[in-house]
Amino acid sequence: AQSVTQLGSHVSVSEGALVLLRCNYSSSVPPYLFWYVQYPNQGLQLLLKYTTGATLVKGINGFEAEFKKSETSFHLTKPSAHMSDAAEYFCAVSPKAAGNKLTFGGGTRVLVKP
Amino acid sequence: KAGVTQTPRYLIKTRGQQVTLSCSPISGHRSVSWYQQTPGQGLQFLFEYFSETQRNKGNFPGRFSGRQFSNSRSEMNVSTLELGDSALYLCASSSGLAGGPGTQYFGPGTRLLVL
Repeated sequence: AQSVTQLGSHVSVSEGALVLLRCNYSSSVPPYLFWYVQYPNQGLQLLLKYTTGATLVKGINGFEAEFKKSETSFHLTKPSAHMSDAAEYFCAVSPKAAGNKLTFGGGTRVLVKP
Repeated sequence: KAGVTQTPRYLIKTRGQQVTLSCSPISGHRSVSWYQQTPGQGLQFLFEYFSETQRNKGNFPGRFSGRQFSNSRSEMNVSTLELGDSALYLCASSSGLAGGPGTQYFGPGTRLLVL
């Protein structure tokens, strides 16, 4: 069975500082990988996804993530945090088989300090 | 295009009752998935429907069921509600076509409170 671990349930960063959210997965076969963001009282919005090809993936709002097979990781970064980045972020995986079945990590809540 | 819509947005029920939640996917999308979000268990996959057939299923008891109509709209039903069913229920739609993971677009959710 697949599993996803996000290190740190809460992260606090200063405005303008680097945002780094960690995600490790457990799977016998590299799955598809995703990062979603959830703002208060809203659904999830896709930031980026990795399927195949280039391991550095760029997403919306200045976020990017790098797939490292040897480390089974898919960490999310943003060079300079903005106040609007305050939200909860979820890493997710899905198997490379037909269908949509996401397994989510526990989430990381990001607080941005002015 | 209009996004994924879910109705109702908020719901209060009592233990033992049943509830039906509705999800209208993005026009043209044939796959609808349902997720439960709670503070304790996080986000958990319930099931996915594609072209009116259940394609994937999570590890939830039989009290949780769903269906999809020919217009791709989906409903989720929970019978004999328990306090632990209080959660945000999220619906997501995607094209569902083969060839890679389609992007899942999430609705705003239905917040269910069981008293």
